[in-house]
Amino acid sequence: DADVTQTPRNRITKTGKRIMLECSQTKGHDRMYWYRQDPGLGLRLIYYSFDVKDINKGEISDGYSVSRQAQAKFSLSLESAIPNQTALYFCATRAGGPGSETQYFGPGTRLLVL
Amino acid sequence: DQQVKQNSPSLSVQEGRISILNCDYTNSMFDYFLWYKKYPAEGPTFLISISSIKDKNEDGRFTVFLNKSAKHLSLHIVPSQPGDSAVYFCAASLGFGAGSYQLTFGKGTKLSVIP
Repeated sequence: DADVTQTPRNRITKTGKRIMLECSQTKGHDRMYWYRQDPGLGLRLIYYSFDVKDINKGEISDGYSVSRQAQAKFSLSLESAIPNQTALYFCATRAGGPGSETQYFGPGTRLLVL
Repeated sequence: DQQVKQNSPSLSVQEGRISILNCDYTNSMFDYFLWYKKYPAEGPTFLISISSIKDKNEDGRFTVFLNKSAKHLSLHIVPSQPGDSAVYFCAASLGFGAGSYQLTFGKGTKLSVIP
C-alpha cells in the first residue's frame, strides 16, 4: 500500500463550486505539504503544516484553505473554484528535525475547473 | 525571482550513454539539495540528495555533483536506460531559520532516453 494517498485522483468541477482534496499518510510524519504543479512552472507550495495545531501559508495560498484533521490527514479546499486553479495537486510529507529534508509525495490529483 | 533554475526543459540521450542534468541556484543559504524523478500520472519520487558539506554523492547509476562556488549542481546517470525517461526536478532546502520547512523546486527537465 502507498504511504501517501490522495483522493480523488481526478476531478472536474465548475467555476464557483467548493471542492476538497484529501491526503492521508501512513509514514507517521509530522509535517505535511500541499503543492500545485502547472506546466512549465515546477512545483509551488500552497500550504504546509508542522502538526495538527500548526498551519502555515506557502508561496501561493490565495484562494485555498487547509485543514489538518489528524496527524495523518491534511485536506486542501478550494472555496470557490476558478479556471486558473486547474492544475496537478500534490500532497507531501516529511519527518521533522535536521537530516530529514526529504519529502515524500502522493500520486497527485488532477483538477479541471470549467 | 526564481531561486532554483533548470535551464534545459528537455534532454535526449542515447541508451547506454551518460545523461547530465543541470541545476543552478541563487540563494547561497541553501544547504541541502535533492533530485526528484517524476513519471506521468505519478507523484515525484526522491532520487538522490547531497548536503552542502559534500561535493559528490553517488548511488548506483546516479551521481550528484555540487559546486558551491558556482552555485551549480548536476545529476549524472550512467548508463542511461529507457526507464530513466521522466521529468527530473532539482530542489533546494534551507537548513535553519525561515524557510527551513520547505523545498524550492526548479521547473524540471524532461529526459528522453532513446533505445
